[in-house]
Amino acid sequence: EFVLTQSPATLSLSPGETATLSCRASQSVGTQLAWYQQKPGQAPRLLIYDASNRATGIPARFSGSGSGTDFTLTVSSLEPEDVAVYYCLAVSFGGGTKVEMK
Amino acid sequence: EVKLVESGGGLVQPGGSLRLSCIVSGLNFNTYGMSWVRQAPGKGLEWISGLSDSGDGTFYAASVKGRFIISRDNSRNTLFLQMNSLRGDDTAIYYCAKDSGSDIWGYFDFWGQGALVIVSS
Repeated sequence: EFVLTQSPATLSLSPGETATLSCRASQSVGTQLAWYQQKPGQAPRLLIYDASNRATGIPARFSGSGSGTDFTLTVSSLEPEDVAVYYCLAVSFGGGTKVEMK
Repeated sequence: EVKLVESGGGLVQPGGSLRLSCIVSGLNFNTYGMSWVRQAPGKGLEWISGLSDSGDGTFYAASVKGRFIISRDNSRNTLFLQMNSLRGDDTAIYYCAKDSGSDIWGYFDFWGQGALVIVSS
């Protein structure tokens, strides 16, 4: 069974810091991985596709990297509006990482 | 502007049926795969069903296989999800999502705002 594992479950950071989110696949997906942001009460929003391409309108603070089984979403210079749950997707969704602000 | 608007959610008794619709505008609907993704209260996202542009490719998650049926009417730019034999653990927000390509194995680039389905007696 294919599984995507995200870590950590929760990340608590201060404004201006950098968030580093991990997504690990149980088998290689090449670069066929996407990242989503979901704020409370809202639908998910596409941030990154094909592992490292930013979707239209996404700020450069958001960047994706990785291939094969290990992927990273980096959010630099955290802003209060970045508080959300972040999901990775490759056929199935990861369990999510909640980003909180200290 | 691409828009996806779901309808048909509501309260239904266990064992009952419900049909969700998703009207899509702002793109050539018949050239994209479409899917349904749900989110139970306080939980993560679950891809439950997908349908290719022409309707010849489908996906169902094990949790809904044999109970839910996905379909589309390309002449009306509409995606459907027929949900039968509903159970309490089907309670969720159901999102309509557009695939990035013609099949259902890409990523979802546009989403609707969701339709709430509550299964309870």
